[in-house]
Amino acid sequence: DAGVTQSPTHLIKTRGQHVTLRCSPISGHKSVSWYQQVLGQGPQFIFQYYEKEERGRGNFPDRFSARQFPNYSSELNVNALLLGDSALYLCASSPRATGYGGYTFGSGTRLTVV
Amino acid sequence: SQQGEEDPQALSIQEGENATMNCSYKTSINNLQWYRQNSGRGLVHLILIRSNEREKHSGRLRVTLDTSKKSSSLLITASRAADTASYFCATGTGTASKLTFGTGTRLQVTL
Repeated sequence: DAGVTQSPTHLIKTRGQHVTLRCSPISGHKSVSWYQQVLGQGPQFIFQYYEKEERGRGNFPDRFSARQFPNYSSELNVNALLLGDSALYLCASSPRATGYGGYTFGSGTRLTVV
Repeated sequence: SQQGEEDPQALSIQEGENATMNCSYKTSINNLQWYRQNSGRGLVHLILIRSNEREKHSGRLRVTLDTSKKSSSLLITASRAADTASYFCATGTGTASKLTFGTGTRLQVTL
């Protein structure tokens, strides 16, 4: 079985641009969560979607948005990129909304904003 | 914001020794999970302990949880070079969807 897949793996963008990151969860998993990990820190929760509905939102500005598609894949969009948005963006999937039992993470998308 | 902190921030041991990492958190939890991360890549789920459990084992891993002290520890026995990674604790509240991660412990296991 394929794990959680994220694309692209690396990305370089210029300040002010827009970026879209993509995530495909494990087959059968209906929950997708997004995390931002700045170098040297632990991941910070951005969003969770379950059955295509937003179930949780972290303390991130409105420049960050996400959605989940009928096949449970997900996109994270970031507008008006800032240098501080440079980070590893991780996607995690789980069968249930609460993630009880643990999440399976993808390898991440490393975003560099210049 | 981070839920808490791991201690120590960095740990260097020789292969075959045991490694102990501690995690403190701030709020009431439903469960606590430990993850491993190799070289800034994706996180791998290691073990989950529920708030009504005190100790749990999985292979060479032993996790303890003290909810009165809001702390947990991860013990890796007979460490191997392949255990070199960053280790994070993460807390879940059950009803909420998010995990709140600590700051991580960087473990270096040398031959």
